[in-house]
Amino acid sequence: DTEVTQTPKHLVMGMTNKKSLKCEQHMGHRAMYWYKQKAKKPPELMFVYSYEKLSINESVPSRFSPECPNSSLLNLHLHALQPEDSALYLCASSPWGSTDTQYFGPGTRLTVL
Amino acid sequence: KNEVEQSPQNLTAQEGEFITINCSYSVGISALHWLQQHPGGGIVSLFMLSSGKKKHGRLIATINIQEKHSSLHITASHPRDSAVYICAVSSTSGSRLTFGEGTQLTVNP
Repeated sequence: DTEVTQTPKHLVMGMTNKKSLKCEQHMGHRAMYWYKQKAKKPPELMFVYSYEKLSINESVPSRFSPECPNSSLLNLHLHALQPEDSALYLCASSPWGSTDTQYFGPGTRLTVL
Repeated sequence: KNEVEQSPQNLTAQEGEFITINCSYSVGISALHWLQQHPGGGIVSLFMLSSGKKKHGRLIATINIQEKHSSLHITASHPRDSAVYICAVSSTSGSRLTFGEGTQLTVNP
């Protein structure tokens, strides 16, 4: 199994909703990433987990809350989002760290109304 | 100035043409990555380079560490090659990728 899966594919939420994005990989990778990507822009790193511990938080607002319940699973909990948070949210994993090849999931297209 | 600069920003080619996308970087790196993103979102890693040249099918990636420059070549381009190509570097000091702005390639039949 050499893929990263993300659910849901699309999500529409209001500013008062609470929702979660899910990412899963079964390649035994020890590093997992959340990226945010706006249209026609490269991905922006949000969080990095290394060996299930949060190692990088790129000053992301607290309305985004990551969680790594185990080495295969990464969640991103969303609460009180703003319309400007609408974007494609990409998850990735790599064997050890960013010097390795990163495997990206297909992304979740988030729209905040 | 961005740490990773790509050129051109947009590229339109006819099917069969030889294509070159360039990437220059200004930081010390441990590896350079070429990524492909099709409309709809998914990103695929094409190459990871730390020296020399790599080839996969019709794609060739080269890197010149002294000049801090890499190129991605596509031979015999095809409409299915139409995508955004992104150059990214893993710096020697950091634990993250730094991305270029991407090159939008359109190959017309």
